[in-house]
Amino acid sequence: DQQVKQNSPSLSVQEGRISILNCDYTNSMFDYFLWYKKYPAEGPTFLISISSIKDKNEDGRFTVFLNKSAKHLSLHIVPSQPGDSAVYFCAASAVGRGAQKLVFGQGTRLTINP
Amino acid sequence: NAGVTQTPKFQVLKTGQSMTLQCAQDMNHNSMYWYRQDPGMGLRLIYYSASEGTTDKGEVPNGYNVSRLNKREFSLRLESAAPSQTSVYFCASSEGQNYGYTFGSGTRLTVV
Repeated sequence: DQQVKQNSPSLSVQEGRISILNCDYTNSMFDYFLWYKKYPAEGPTFLISISSIKDKNEDGRFTVFLNKSAKHLSLHIVPSQPGDSAVYFCAASAVGRGAQKLVFGQGTRLTINP
Repeated sequence: NAGVTQTPKFQVLKTGQSMTLQCAQDMNHNSMYWYRQDPGMGLRLIYYSASEGTTDKGEVPNGYNVSRLNKREFSLRLESAAPSQTSVYFCASSEGQNYGYTFGSGTRLTVV
């Protein structure tokens, strides 16, 4: 039972255009959402996050949008650059004591074409 | 800063062999985690340790054991490796709630 889903395994975008990566979740207890970026042969690295009390968070070229009623979040990258080519994972966690257990989506491979 | 260090980076095992994957972090984080990454499955939590002295099962714990040796180190052991455990294993650590994880670079394990 996949609680976090990324339905697009891959996405190809032209350099300079906007990249939009999507993520859906089913667990209404999730209250914190993150995006990670992963290059081959490396571990995932944190990109941007958003709390459920917000609907938008920006960091430079990266913006994450959260639609709680639809249980949907998206990552916008604008303008897209060749170095953005990577696998992107969305992740979610629920408030609780102790460790922050992240549930990850399947990932979307983004390719930026020159 | 080293961050999260995993050893080894690559390993090939025969079915039935045992091995321990090592993980150490130098950020003084309380919580540590082991995930596996498989094609089309994303990252799935195997075991985690909320703090030194505690460990708990994640989503896919069968066939694995863990030890939180001290605050820095969290090891993952495969007692009798199976081909289904062929995967890339990632260790991560976190400060606590809503801080996200810092990941190691991974261990690529092949069981033949």
